[in-house]
Amino acid sequence: DTGVSQDPRHKITKRGQNVTFRCDPISEHNRLYWYRQTLGQGPEFLTYFQNEAQLEKSRLLSDRFSAERPKGSFSTLEIQRTEQGDSAMYLCASSLASGANEQFFGPGTRLTVL
Amino acid sequence: GEDVEQSLFLSVREGDSSVINCTYTDSSSTYLYWYKQEPGAGLQLLTYIFSNMDMKQDQRLTVLLNKKDKHLSLRIADTQTGDSAIYFCAESIYGGSQGNLIFGKGTKLSVKP
Repeated sequence: DTGVSQDPRHKITKRGQNVTFRCDPISEHNRLYWYRQTLGQGPEFLTYFQNEAQLEKSRLLSDRFSAERPKGSFSTLEIQRTEQGDSAMYLCASSLASGANEQFFGPGTRLTVL
Repeated sequence: GEDVEQSLFLSVREGDSSVINCTYTDSSSTYLYWYKQEPGAGLQLLTYIFSNMDMKQDQRLTVLLNKKDKHLSLRIADTQTGDSAIYFCAESIYGGSQGNLIFGKGTKLSVKP
């Protein structure tokens, strides 16, 4: 297992288009998190799943954002009608629901909305 | 509300020790973490400390926790140029039951040869 992977690594889109990102967690991890990071800031929590259940969503996650984890393995994050303010690095992390809940991050998907 | 604060920059010479400081506000934090981010990369978990501990050492890394003052520090001994990166402090406000992390803005460590 090589860790958390994300696809694509970079995405450039025009305002108003829809985009979808994929995250593959570490295989035995049952928790999966999405964060967003803008320049000069730390990551900000968006949402998380335990297995296939989406258990929490941040108020940062507007109605244009939707996330799924249909079989409790990989997850997708879709942004509809993208806006320039959506430009950011989208990070995925996974963890085991035990102990220190250490979260391991993927390399991120950098989104640029023109 | 929850807030994690860090100084933004630190510059040291190769071979010196680096100390990166962090303050947090949520007294219910159970775990506190240090992550490293190199340019264009994701976050690498360096270490974490449980709130009932004062200190944790892991090779060149030493974490000190002052729970009374809500102050966390990361000391890197014998700092190398490869340690140049942004270091994030993060707290887990639900103590692991949900575990969404609250991050500081990061401290950019520059190591001069």
